[in-house]
Amino acid sequence: SQTIHQWPATLVQPVGSPLSLECTVEGTSNPNLYWYRQAAGRGLQLLFYSVGIGQISSEVPQNLSASRPQDRQFILSSKKLLLSDSGFYLCAWSEGLGTGELFFGEGSRLTVL
Amino acid sequence: ILNVEQSPQSLHVQEGDSTNFTCSFPSSNFYALHWYRWETAKSPEALFVMTLNGDEKKKGRISATLNTKEGYSYLYIKGSQPEDSATYLCALNQAGTALIFGKGTTLSVSS
Repeated sequence: SQTIHQWPATLVQPVGSPLSLECTVEGTSNPNLYWYRQAAGRGLQLLFYSVGIGQISSEVPQNLSASRPQDRQFILSSKKLLLSDSGFYLCAWSEGLGTGELFFGEGSRLTVL
Repeated sequence: ILNVEQSPQSLHVQEGDSTNFTCSFPSSNFYALHWYRWETAKSPEALFVMTLNGDEKKKGRISATLNTKEGYSYLYIKGSQPEDSATYLCALNQAGTALIFGKGTTLSVSS
């Protein structure tokens, strides 16, 4: 069966520090991978998605970046965090970009102070 | 900017009440409409994926309908139970794009 894991679960970082959130999927090949964020009082915002190794689509231009160094690994990074980067980050995967349902990781709570 | 709207934002009902929520979306380039349930301290889980105009799907006491021509979907819960308390998210897929979520409807069911 397929599983998805992301870490760390909780992170408290000072403004200007770097960020790295990691997500891995097991039990499937060539999944579509996604990073979503829920900021306070807002819905799930799509940040990045990837349909294959090295292929990243950015939905919201900001100081975050994503990389997919391996088929089932998706990394969310920042060189310098802003206060507005605080939120709950969810990694997800699907078999298709269209009708395939999303399967979400456990989430990572980021607080930038 | 693609806009998926959900209403109401929050809802409080008594155990046994039936309720429904609305999701509205632009009807152009429609590909699929998803509903997810997001319980506190858990990850969102898919309820339904609907693709055809007029689709009706049911899972236990929860059902959903889809109107792609006018751009809306309804989620119905019959006989609400406390365990139905969660945030219900709808998400739109237009052809060739990733899912765009609405802000959700938060349901609270009192016993």
